[in-house]
Amino acid sequence: NAGVMQNPRHLVRRRGQEARLRCSPMKGHSHVYWYRQLPEEGLKFMVYLQKENIIDESGMPKERFSAEFPKEGPSILRIQQVVRGDSAAYFCASSPPGHLLKTYEQYFGPGTRLTVT
Amino acid sequence: TQLLEQSPQFLSIQEGENLTVYCNSSSVFSSLQWYRQEPGEGPVLLVTVVTGGEVKKLKRLTFQFGDARKDSSLHITAAQTGDTGLYLCAGSRQGGSEKLVFGKGTKLTVNP
Repeated sequence: NAGVMQNPRHLVRRRGQEARLRCSPMKGHSHVYWYRQLPEEGLKFMVYLQKENIIDESGMPKERFSAEFPKEGPSILRIQQVVRGDSAAYFCASSPPGHLLKTYEQYFGPGTRLTVT
Repeated sequence: TQLLEQSPQFLSIQEGENLTVYCNSSSVFSSLQWYRQEPGEGPVLLVTVVTGGEVKKLKRLTFQFGDARKDSSLHITAAQTGDTGLYLCAGSRQGGSEKLVFGKGTKLTVNP
């Protein structure tokens, strides 16, 4: 039973390039979340998606960042025109549909470490 | 300001000792999760607590959710070197969306 998968695990981009981070949720999970972890900081929520819908993007920077979770295929976090401050670990998490017990358990992938040079 | 405060930030102990780490907030949470994170990896879910006053045990780990659902603690009995890692608490705020709010974590080192 595969867990949450993310690729690439490490990504190096020059300033101004685009970064694309992919996340495949656990089997049977239809909710995807993206978090960012900066050095010495806690994980910060970015965006919450369900298939073909953005549910909550309150943690996403207004510019350069976008996310999608298409009907088929993985969820994608896209960062355009990257800057050095975007260097961080980006984690994807997934949860099953219908939080009957309202426990909001989320299962995390191994992360993508983005380095902007 | 940090919504979830974890203490201590760092903890270094000898194998066999007991320890408790804390997760505190002034906000009420629908549930709290504890995760453990190894360097270069993602957080791994240890437990979820939902009911105020709830106590859950996972082998040598005991988790408690405060009566008012504003705080939680993790107690480890007879720590082992394999317990070394970053312990994170996270919660979903009552009345909020499903996003998790994380504390900054307690970095635990268990020395042989």
